[in-house]
Order: sequence, then C-alpha cells, then structure tokens
Amino acid sequence: DQQVKQNSPSLSVQEGRISILNCDYTNSMFDYFLWYKKYPAEGPTFLISISSIKDKNEDGRFTVFLNKSAKHLSLHIVPSQPGDSAVYFCAAKVGETSGSRLTFGEGTQLTVNP
Amino acid sequence: GAVVSQHPSWVICKSGTSVKIECRSLDFQATTMFWYRQFPKQSLMLMATSNEGSKATYEQGVEKDKFLINHASLTLSTLTVTSAHPEDSSFYICIGGNNEKLFFGSGTQLSVL
Repeated sequence: DQQVKQNSPSLSVQEGRISILNCDYTNSMFDYFLWYKKYPAEGPTFLISISSIKDKNEDGRFTVFLNKSAKHLSLHIVPSQPGDSAVYFCAAKVGETSGSRLTFGEGTQLTVNP
Repeated sequence: GAVVSQHPSWVICKSGTSVKIECRSLDFQATTMFWYRQFPKQSLMLMATSNEGSKATYEQGVEKDKFLINHASLTLSTLTVTSAHPEDSSFYICIGGNNEKLFFGSGTQLSVL
C-alpha cells in the first residue's frame, strides 16, 4: 500500500521558470511533511518541511503548499536553476519528532534546462 | 556539522555471501537508526527501526534473520545482509535521528551476482 505517491517520475523545465512537484498521500494520520533532494551517488538532503497546522511554508526559492482536504502537497521552485536538477522525494510522518518513521514517495527527477 | 557516514557506497558480491553496511553518526548521537531500501522505480521502503541498545523492530515482510541489524552504540549501526541473493540487490540507506532531526547516510548500492 503506497501511502505517499509522486505520480510524475520526471519533470523538465526551462531555467528561470517555475518547477512544481506534486505529492499525494492517503494516510490521514500524517501531520508532518518533508521534501528531500537527492543528487546521484549522494544521500538525500533535507529541503523544506511543513506541519499540518500550516498550508504554506516558504524558504527562499522553495515553497511548499499543503492541501489537507485533498491530501496533496506541492513543492514550488522559482526561479528554477540548472543546479536544482535532482531527484526530489516527498516524505510524510506522524508527529514532528525524529523518533517517528518517514514514509517516502517514489521520487520525481527534475531536470532544469539552461 | 552532524552527518551520517555510510560505507560502503557500493558493493558487488557473489550470491551466498554476506555483506555488512555500516553507518556512523558524526557530531551527534543517533538514538534511533532507520534502515530503508529502494528497488528501481520504487520508493524508499522502511526495513527496520533500531534504538541504541535494544533489538531492532522489523517491518512486515522483512526477514530479521536475513537482515541483521546491530545498534550497539549511539554512533554506530550496522546492517548485515546474510547469504545475499540477486533479489537482495537494492539501494540501502540509513537515517539517523537524535530526537530533534534526521540525518541521511549516503546510501549503499548492493549488487548480488
């Protein structure tokens, strides 16, 4: 049972434009969501997170939107840069503490073309 | 800064041999270590959760006698794939937590011939 899904395995955008990565979840117990970025041959690195008490969190070029009623979140990157090209994982957990497990989506390969 | 050092980054072994993957937490104490694996085109799936000094809790469908996890100290956790078979070929990654944050290892790509 895939509780976190990223339906787009890949996304290609032009430099300077907006990248929108989507994620859907089914478990209504999830209340904390995270996005990770992964370059080849490296481990994922934390990008941005959002608690279910919010519907938006912004950090520089990165903004995460949460729609609890639709069980959907999205990551917006604007403007996109070639260095943003990576695999992006959406993850969800119950509770914000590190003792709770992460459930990951399949990942979306973002390619930003110069 | 805090980081999890995972070794080896890739390993190729013959069927039937055992492979040990090591994760060391640097500059923090990992009270919890999560072990995940990722098959091609699938998401990272949790295999087991270990807390320092206690036995690991395995997810359904993960054989505890095949995937031995040791978390004897707050800075070291190991996963041993015993009698590896080609179907065990996967990307394995550890994630260490210290009650505040989570830190990812860099992953190990295991290929069993």
